[in-house]
Amino acid sequence: KAGVTQTPRYLIKTRGQQVTLSCSPISGHRSVSWYQQTPGQGLQFLFEYFSETQRNKGNFPGRFSGRQFSNSRSEMNVSTLELGDSALYLCASSIEQGARSAEQFFGPGTRLTVL
Amino acid sequence: AQKVTQAQTEISVVEKEDVTLDCVYETRDTTYYLFWYKQPPSGELVFLIRRNSFDEQNEISGRYSWNFQKSTSSFNFTITASQVVDSAVYFCALSWTNMGRRALTFGSGTRLQVQP
Repeated sequence: KAGVTQTPRYLIKTRGQQVTLSCSPISGHRSVSWYQQTPGQGLQFLFEYFSETQRNKGNFPGRFSGRQFSNSRSEMNVSTLELGDSALYLCASSIEQGARSAEQFFGPGTRLTVL
Repeated sequence: AQKVTQAQTEISVVEKEDVTLDCVYETRDTTYYLFWYKQPPSGELVFLIRRNSFDEQNEISGRYSWNFQKSTSSFNFTITASQVVDSAVYFCALSWTNMGRRALTFGSGTRLQVQP
């Protein structure tokens, strides 16, 4: 079974631009979560999607948004990029939403650099 | 509020030494799950172990073992006979839900360097 895939793996943008990152979960997984990892703030939860609906959102500004498609694939978008948005963005999938026990399987991440 | 503390920023050991990674958590949930993840240089988080709040039985899985103590809110992870391939950043995480909304709260990570 294929793991979580994320595209692109690396991205360089300039301030003010917008970016879209893509995540394909493990087949059969309906929950997709996004995390931001930076040296200063560590791993922080962005949001979770389940059945095309955002179920939970972390403490990030509205410039960060996402969506999930009927095939469970998810995209996240960051508008008006700032230097501080440079980070590794990790996507994780799990079988079901709302289950504390369901471990999440992570993709390799997209490393975004904002110049 | 949920919080996970990994006080050890970096640990360096020589191959074949045992090493214990510390994790202390805070939560008001009565039911919760704790995880350990490994992040090698490639960046992908790899799931290692999971423990629920009901079960304080400590187990060993190969070279990995963990010590879960609710009384001290600690969930420590031990690697026995460390190997160079164990070099990575290790994250402790707490899974919590609120009205069906779930997320993981991660600790700041412990970088483990295993020297040959």
